[in-house]
Amino acid sequence: QVQLQQCGAELVKPGTPVKMSCKVSGYTFTSYVISWIKQTTGQGLEWIGYIYPESGSTGYNEKFKGKATLTVDKSSNTAFMQLSSLAAGDSAVYYCARREFGVGYFDYWGQGVMVTVSS
Amino acid sequence: DIVMTQSPSSLAVSAGETVTINCKSSQSLLSSGNQKNYLAWYQQKPGQSPKLLIYLASTRESGVPDRFIGSGSGTDFTLTISSVQAEDLADYYCQQHYSYPLTFGSGTKLEIK
Repeated sequence: QVQLQQCGAELVKPGTPVKMSCKVSGYTFTSYVISWIKQTTGQGLEWIGYIYPESGSTGYNEKFKGKATLTVDKSSNTAFMQLSSLAAGDSAVYYCARREFGVGYFDYWGQGVMVTVSS
Repeated sequence: DIVMTQSPSSLAVSAGETVTINCKSSQSLLSSGNQKNYLAWYQQKPGQSPKLLIYLASTRESGVPDRFIGSGSGTDFTLTISSVQAEDLADYYCQQHYSYPLTFGSGTKLEIK
């Protein structure tokens, strides 16, 4: 079955980066696009960006340019998102999600990673 | 960016009742090329990640019960849940998949009396 496995929770200090992973199984990694979505109580769901695993081509929400960097490792069927210079406003649950080429909705989601930024 | 406005923000109903959740977009989500509306609905149960219910405004995802019905066109959309069950306790979100950046509504919390 299709699974997007995300690591647990992260507690990080302000100003430091964090890199989170999304390991997929149950389908061909390069046949779907991976997106990342941020969820907070205040701002709700925000789309961060996407990556095509085959080519590594990316697209970002302007709001997250310079904050998020998306990469993949095809050998391990894993997508990564690095967030730079973390601040309190980056505390959130971050999801990876899958979508088909040419569509913009997400049919499978990871379980999410809770990132807490605190000194 | 397309702004998605959902209403109400919360509602409480008894099991068996019918629920209507509204979603309004700041721009039309109707493609002139194929006459399809690029609007999706998700259900997020407590402690879980969102689950796709509806896409293209009215197409039910495989396995989704037929009591979940999506409708609307242009800028006004509705998710109707007929004969609500206790398991439908969740937050519901709309999302436009018409243009980047993809954007979501602020959510509707459904409580069961």
